[in-house]
Amino acid sequence: NAGVMQNPRHLVRRRGQEARLRCSPMKGHSHVYWYRQLPEEGLKFMVYLQKENIIDESGMPKERFSAEFPKEGPSILRIQQVVRGDSAAYFCASSPVRTSSYNEQFFGPGTRLTVL
Amino acid sequence: AQTVTQSQPEMSVQEAETVTLSCTYDTSESDYYLFWYKQPPSRQMILVIRQEAYKQQNATENRFSVNFQKAAKSFSLKISDSQLGDAAMYFCAYRSGRDRETSGSRLTFGEGTQLTVNP
Repeated sequence: NAGVMQNPRHLVRRRGQEARLRCSPMKGHSHVYWYRQLPEEGLKFMVYLQKENIIDESGMPKERFSAEFPKEGPSILRIQQVVRGDSAAYFCASSPVRTSSYNEQFFGPGTRLTVL
Repeated sequence: AQTVTQSQPEMSVQEAETVTLSCTYDTSESDYYLFWYKQPPSRQMILVIRQEAYKQQNATENRFSVNFQKAAKSFSLKISDSQLGDAAMYFCAYRSGRDRETSGSRLTFGEGTQLTVNP
């Protein structure tokens, strides 16, 4: 069973460009979380999605950031008009439904975004 | 809102020795879960150990064990017989027990402790 997949692993963008980060959850998982890790910091929650629904986006910046998890295909985290402060590692995690009380989140390898 | 605090930015241990990493948290909830994740230089987040708040018994996974003190809101990680491969950043994390039947709860992470293992 393949793990959570994220691509690209590394992404370089110039200020003002758009960044698209993709996350394919583990097979059978219908819940996706996005976290951001700024340099020298812990992971911070951004958004929680189920298929075709945003459940909790309280950690998302109000502007320029959006996320989706369509019925078919990967979850996408989109950052418009990137700025240097967006440089970070972005992690996706997925979890199954009702399989255990822990509902463990399995993490992907992350996408490291560098804004020049 | 819940907060997680790791007061040790860096720790070091000699190979084969034991080290304890500290974590405290703040919550008004009674039902929750606590986790320790390891992040090696590859940056992959790896679950090390987990604990349900309603369980009195401390969790153990091979060389890794926790000291869970619910009243003190403390959740420390003990690594016994440290190995060079244990060198990594370790994160303590909290998850609410609300919506247990769904996955509907984010993880709140501490700032991390960088563990160095000396040969």
